[in-house]
Amino acid sequence: DGGITQSPKYLFRKEGQNVTLSCEQNLNHDAMYWYRQDPGQGLRLIYYSQIVNDFQKGDIAEGYSVSREKKESFPLTVTSAQKNPTAFYLCASSIKAGPNQPQHFGDGTRLSIL
Amino acid sequence: AQSVAQPEDQVNVAEGNPLTVKCTYSVSGNPYLFWYVQYPNRGLQFLLKYITGDNLVKGSYGFEAEFNKSQTSFHLKKPSALVSDSALYFCAVRYTISSNTGKLIFGQGTTLQVKP
Repeated sequence: DGGITQSPKYLFRKEGQNVTLSCEQNLNHDAMYWYRQDPGQGLRLIYYSQIVNDFQKGDIAEGYSVSREKKESFPLTVTSAQKNPTAFYLCASSIKAGPNQPQHFGDGTRLSIL
Repeated sequence: AQSVAQPEDQVNVAEGNPLTVKCTYSVSGNPYLFWYVQYPNRGLQFLLKYITGDNLVKGSYGFEAEFNKSQTSFHLKKPSALVSDSALYFCAVRYTISSNTGKLIFGQGTTLQVKP
């Protein structure tokens, strides 16, 4: 089945450690997105990519980095500079980045600090 | 500034009764509006969207939404609620960054609780 796969489902980070969250899609979508979800705050955009080898900062990019070397993959690294990384992270994709296209979401990675 | 508001943190309804989950928005230009549903520890699922045309939009699982331009609202509705509709619902508005790029802004979410 086509879809978006996020791994791992749960991730624990030690202080000062970088961790990478995986996002893979087999929908042949051009655009991909990373969101952070905190209770009572909805979703906030971290980074997005319209096309391979291109990505843009979202609203809360500080302490995060991404790469888009392949169309199907958009990994997110949570660096030690992110002081409050505990959250539920959601990856999404859409056919294009245009306004008509709904985004399709993975099932998320829950990151916690040890 | 672009924004979305969901004024109710939680909506409680009895099974079989109609439900409404409220959403208001503020956006410059034409609004592109979406509703998503999230079940515990899962991603968001697309329910429906309003781009243009009829103000009443029909979507998945029997849900519909009414776009009201004068009230800048996009309320989600269902004529008869099911216990399985219990979930977290998000309204989102898309605003344009460039000719082919937009960003979604999400409301804070409304928990729908349907009781038997």
